[in-house]
Amino acid sequence: IAGITQAPTSQILAAGRRMTLRCTQDMRHNAMYWYRQDLGLGLRLIHYSNTAGTTGKGEVPDGYSVSRANTDDFPLTLASAVPSQTSVYFCASREARGSSYNEQFFGPGTRLTVL
Amino acid sequence: GQNIDQPTEMTATEGAIVQINCTYQTSGFNGLFWYQQHAGEAPTFLSYNVLDGLEEKGRFSSFLSRSKGYSYLLLKELQMKDSASYLCAVKDSNYQLIWGAGTKLIIKP
Repeated sequence: IAGITQAPTSQILAAGRRMTLRCTQDMRHNAMYWYRQDLGLGLRLIHYSNTAGTTGKGEVPDGYSVSRANTDDFPLTLASAVPSQTSVYFCASREARGSSYNEQFFGPGTRLTVL
Repeated sequence: GQNIDQPTEMTATEGAIVQINCTYQTSGFNGLFWYQQHAGEAPTFLSYNVLDGLEEKGRFSSFLSRSKGYSYLLLKELQMKDSASYLCAVKDSNYQLIWGAGTKLIIKP
């Protein structure tokens, strides 16, 4: 693989179900991010991780959890999905060492619908 | 609060020039990014400004005025493939990106 992959590509989920969105990068970037993108709104940060073993809360963390057991993987879990979590979810990574210039690279996204 | 403002939609003609504006109010400033996002795809990096002035990259240029909290993205010699959304994002005092809602650019032949 090259870059960032996300799985699944899309998912329809019943409310109340648990769901994990997967994200894997092979660029050895130390920082990783989860965003949601909703129509008419900018990308909103859910959770982030500056390095393996650490995580932090973003702007809209409620209802979501993350883990960062290693450099490559950063799964996002919805413990009990609700319809307001219907969105497109993007995972991103960035080389956080050195210049703050380093841009974020995005995965292809997961389109999640909660009914 | 933190705020990034961009026009919702713009229309331009193939071969022409278009300027997409972005104004921001954030807690701290550590750089401004422009990303391009085609419909149904992931955002991809276009440019970065941290000092005042113009950065040129081929057909695309980006300008920053920190005192005015203002940036613009200039696209020259527009091509149909430039039809996309353009996202402005500011890195705040916590080094997190605050994103605008994006400007949808429609290119007409």
